[in-house]
Amino acid sequence: EAQVTQNPRYLITVTGKKLTVTCSQNMNHEYMSWYRQDPGLGLRQIYYSMNVEVTDKGDVPEGYKVSRKEKRNFPPILESPSPNQTSLYFCASIAGQGPYEQYFGPGTRLTVT
Amino acid sequence: KQEVTQIPAALSVPEGENLVLNCSFTDSAIYNLQWFRQDPGKGLTSLLLIQSSQREQTSGRLNASLDKSSGRSTLYIAASQPGDSATYLCAVDNYGQNFVFGPGTRLSVLP
Repeated sequence: EAQVTQNPRYLITVTGKKLTVTCSQNMNHEYMSWYRQDPGLGLRQIYYSMNVEVTDKGDVPEGYKVSRKEKRNFPPILESPSPNQTSLYFCASIAGQGPYEQYFGPGTRLTVT
Repeated sequence: KQEVTQIPAALSVPEGENLVLNCSFTDSAIYNLQWFRQDPGKGLTSLLLIQSSQREQTSGRLNASLDKSSGRSTLYIAASQPGDSATYLCAVDNYGQNFVFGPGTRLSVLP
């Protein structure tokens, strides 16, 4: 089944403890992206990647790092999580050819205490 | 900077009604526009995608239109059902550079 997977689905951590969230897609898509969703602010793009080793900042990149070593994976890294990074995070992927429809993962709910 | 708005923010209708959700964007230089559905606490499900060269797309009871020059898209839902209750989001693709989402319309269809 073609899908975007995220792990874990729920995560509670403490301020300053480095963490990595996983995102993987099995559709051989070139483009991948990370979003966060917050009440009243909607979905905002954190980082995106047009292909392996190519990443760019979205609208809210502060406090996050990303790397794209393999086409199927695009994990974000929170080096020193803070409570304002408590949010619902979504990973998405898009094929390299049009019409560029986005496919979303199920989400990771992160709580930083 | 691209900004996307959606009207109304919330909508409550009785079952069986036809309804229209609106999406507006400030920069008409988009590659495509996509409508999503999101159930509470869940991920996004793609409903329809309209490329910039298209005027509308249809899937079952859903019809989405796009007027790029005026920066508007509408999602028409025919014969609404309680199972249609969800938040509906539109997103514009700025030629693959980044995607901008609207804040969503929360729809409740009452039995």
